[in-house]
Amino acid sequence: DADVTQTPRNRITKTGKRIMLECSQTKGHDRMYWYRQDPGLGLQLIYYSFDVKDINKGEISDGYSVSRQAQAKFSLSLESAIPNQTALYFCATSDPGPNEGYTFGSGTRLTVV
Amino acid sequence: AQTVTQSQPEMSVQEAETVTLSCTYDTSESDYYLFWYKQPPSRQMILVIRQEAYKQQNATENRFSVNFQKAAKSFSLKISDSQLGDAAMYFCAYRGTNSGYALNFGKGTSLLVTP
Repeated sequence: DADVTQTPRNRITKTGKRIMLECSQTKGHDRMYWYRQDPGLGLQLIYYSFDVKDINKGEISDGYSVSRQAQAKFSLSLESAIPNQTALYFCATSDPGPNEGYTFGSGTRLTVV
Repeated sequence: AQTVTQSQPEMSVQEAETVTLSCTYDTSESDYYLFWYKQPPSRQMILVIRQEAYKQQNATENRFSVNFQKAAKSFSLKISDSQLGDAAMYFCAYRGTNSGYALNFGKGTSLLVTP
């Protein structure tokens, strides 16, 4: 099994629908992140979390919300999806130790029509 | 906020040749990490190489090496003996102490490898 699992892998949804992207990890890391990738823009930080009670906005949080259900689970929600939220979404975890390792999920490609 | 700039949207290299991808960053911090990630068409994010800012020695991983110029805030990636499998999008990333130690990415360089 992958260390960081994202579901679904691909999703098409309609404008105005609520959608949740899920992320779970087996790394045991406290830090978790959600990124959005658009062509030509790299990856931009949406939200990050240190633990279930510590959730913080990133640079592009408008239109998104998150939930940290447990150390291992960090979900991203679009309350009312719009077409410009069509993108590739990545979940990642990081190790605060000296190795500073980051582990990425395989991404969720979301299309809003 | 830190910014990471990759000035080459696309690069091309012939198989077995060497190519250098550029990255500059802006920061006021003294302690940070820099990374290069590879993203092939499978879209997986793969760590290529990492550099700690306090280390003067440039990091090397097999055919991949960096030229880290701290004063100039430059962090270029050199790929030697390029292979077809090196074709991918390459992202430079910075990690400081802001935003929960999140990675701050450049916009990426698309590398094409020709036979």
